[in-house]
Amino acid sequence: DAKTTQPTSMDCAEGRAANLPCNHSTISGNEYVYWYRQIHSQGPQYIIHGLKNNETNEMASLIITEDRKSSTLILPHATLRDTAVYYCIVRVAFANAGKSTFGDGTTLTVKP
Amino acid sequence: KAGVTQTPRYLIKTRGQQVTLSCSPISGHRSVSWYQQTPGQGLQFLFEYFSETQRNKGNFPGRFSGRQFSNSRSEMNVSTLELGDSALYLCASSLVVGYEQYFGPGTRLTVT
Repeated sequence: DAKTTQPTSMDCAEGRAANLPCNHSTISGNEYVYWYRQIHSQGPQYIIHGLKNNETNEMASLIITEDRKSSTLILPHATLRDTAVYYCIVRVAFANAGKSTFGDGTTLTVKP
Repeated sequence: KAGVTQTPRYLIKTRGQQVTLSCSPISGHRSVSWYQQTPGQGLQFLFEYFSETQRNKGNFPGRFSGRQFSNSRSEMNVSTLELGDSALYLCASSLVVGYEQYFGPGTRLTVT
């Protein structure tokens, strides 16, 4: 599975959009980008995933660059409850894909 | 629909003992993965099961083992516990291998 690089920490003002970048320059053509977040002492929570098209759901939007070497998770209106560690993962779907390699993630702090 | 459940939530064991942790996946999910999370190593993949078969295994010693039952429930066992096994053990389920994973709250194991 490809390695990802994320900033260690980021701050965001409550109500503003939080844009979390992820670099995955060695991503393969059959690897998806997944985002999870982990609020302190809880299990990680699935947010969104995509292959090459931008994706949106009720939680967030995922923007993947055309060359697929980086992506951005967007939380459109961050709240204090969005304070968490956000993990970007790339992995092959549908084949031996239970193995998700988690890096250190980005600690997002939403401030009032 | 009920989420992933893990039992027990907290456990204290002594070095040399063994422990069994249990995970019940979301109804209908057939793939179960286990992860270990420690402050120093982060989230690390242990193993993944699908249809009672281990599909993938992480880089952990043979003291760590698991199994999956016909109802998709899974257990993991750690024998001859060491102090370094103290961690949060997380179980994640997905519909089938390769789909997004949903994590349980984890079992906090403390080895003294």
